[in-house]
Amino acid sequence: GQQLNQSPQSMFIQEGEDVSMNCTSSSIFNTWLWYKQDPGEGPVLLIALYKAGELTSNGRLTAQFGITRKDSFLNISASIPSDVGIYFCAGQITGYGGSQGNLIFGKGTKLSVKP
Amino acid sequence: EPEVTQTPSHQVTQMGQEVILRCVPISNHLYFYWYRQILGQKVEFLVSFYNNEISEKSEIFDDQFSVERPDGSNFTLKIRSTKLEDSAMYFCAGARENNSPLHFGNGTRLTVT
Repeated sequence: GQQLNQSPQSMFIQEGEDVSMNCTSSSIFNTWLWYKQDPGEGPVLLIALYKAGELTSNGRLTAQFGITRKDSFLNISASIPSDVGIYFCAGQITGYGGSQGNLIFGKGTKLSVKP
Repeated sequence: EPEVTQTPSHQVTQMGQEVILRCVPISNHLYFYWYRQILGQKVEFLVSFYNNEISEKSEIFDDQFSVERPDGSNFTLKIRSTKLEDSAMYFCAGARENNSPLHFGNGTRLTVT
């Protein structure tokens, strides 16, 4: 089946540092999504990317949809303690029939921020 | 901001028992999903539901699982005879359209003993 390779698996950084994580796939996706999950909660949508090459920002977060449609990265600038959590990439196949809107998740990047 | 609401937040059950997990999606959502996350692992797709029928299901969603939206409001996941390996967080999600981002509830932690 389709799989996403997300890296790194975990990161330990100092407050104020920038963070970068990425996902790659052997399959093409129509949409890439980045979610954050805090302990005991559901994934919360951070950024959605719809076009190959698209670069989108949400505050200190920036994500890009790779030109080949098989990869995406997420950058967090000037990290703060509340950035702690697990970040998941997800690829979405859209269209009629088959996998309508279903998400394939990466294994997550666990971010720890030292104050 | 509207939220996807799931109940209960935690369910403990004995192996072989039936459980029903409940979700109240956002009112203008038309596409509904169940995902599960075994502790420490990634989120996995179970089933998608549109227009009162299953659109797609994964190999995890076997005959022990069923979904329904009986009253146009609640969206439920039933596990007929739970197994130990069903222990996981179960997330309900919804979307307005089939190419819209999914919005997730906070999940139900199912513990099968």
